[in-house]
Amino acid sequence: DQQVKQNSPSLSVQEGRISILNCDYTNSMFDYFLWYKKYPAEGPTFLISISSIKDKNEDGRFTVFLNKSAKHLSLHIVPSQPGDSAVYFCAASPSTLYNTDKLIFGTGTRLQVFP
Amino acid sequence: DVKVTQSSRYLVKRTGEKVFLECVQDMDHENMFWYRQDPGLGLRLIYFSYDVKMKEKGDIPEGYSVSREKKERFSLILESASTNQTSMYLCASVRPDATGNYGYTFGSGTRLTVV
Repeated sequence: DQQVKQNSPSLSVQEGRISILNCDYTNSMFDYFLWYKKYPAEGPTFLISISSIKDKNEDGRFTVFLNKSAKHLSLHIVPSQPGDSAVYFCAASPSTLYNTDKLIFGTGTRLQVFP
Repeated sequence: DVKVTQSSRYLVKRTGEKVFLECVQDMDHENMFWYRQDPGLGLRLIYFSYDVKMKEKGDIPEGYSVSREKKERFSLILESASTNQTSMYLCASVRPDATGNYGYTFGSGTRLTVV
């Protein structure tokens, strides 16, 4: 039972354009959401997060949107750069206050940004 | 910066061998996790630990065991390696923090091939 789903396994975007990566979840108890970026042969690195009390969080070129009623979040990258080419995982946790809960990860979306 | 170090980047082992994957973190984190990453399946949790001597099963513990004798070290053990355990193994750690939640810090991963 996949509680966190990334339905697009891959996405190809031209440099300078917007990249939109989507993630859906099924568990209404999830309270905190994160995006990770992973290059080949490296571990995932934290990118951006959002608490369920917000619907938007922005950090430079990266913005995460949360639609709780639809149980959907998205990551926007504007403008996209070739260095953004990587696999992106969304993750969910039932806790915002304590890091004791394990994260549930999606299956990942491979983003390719071409010149 | 928090550092999570996995002792081997690449390993090749034979079917039936006992395999040890080592993970060490240097920031006094209580919580440590072992995931495996497979194409199309994302990151799946194998085992985790909230403290020394403590361990909890994740979603796919079969064929694995763990050891946490010291706070900084969390070992994953493949009791009798099989070809379906060929994968990328990722260790992560995090400190419970009531002031915020920035997710895990991952190691660089161990690419294990069982032949």
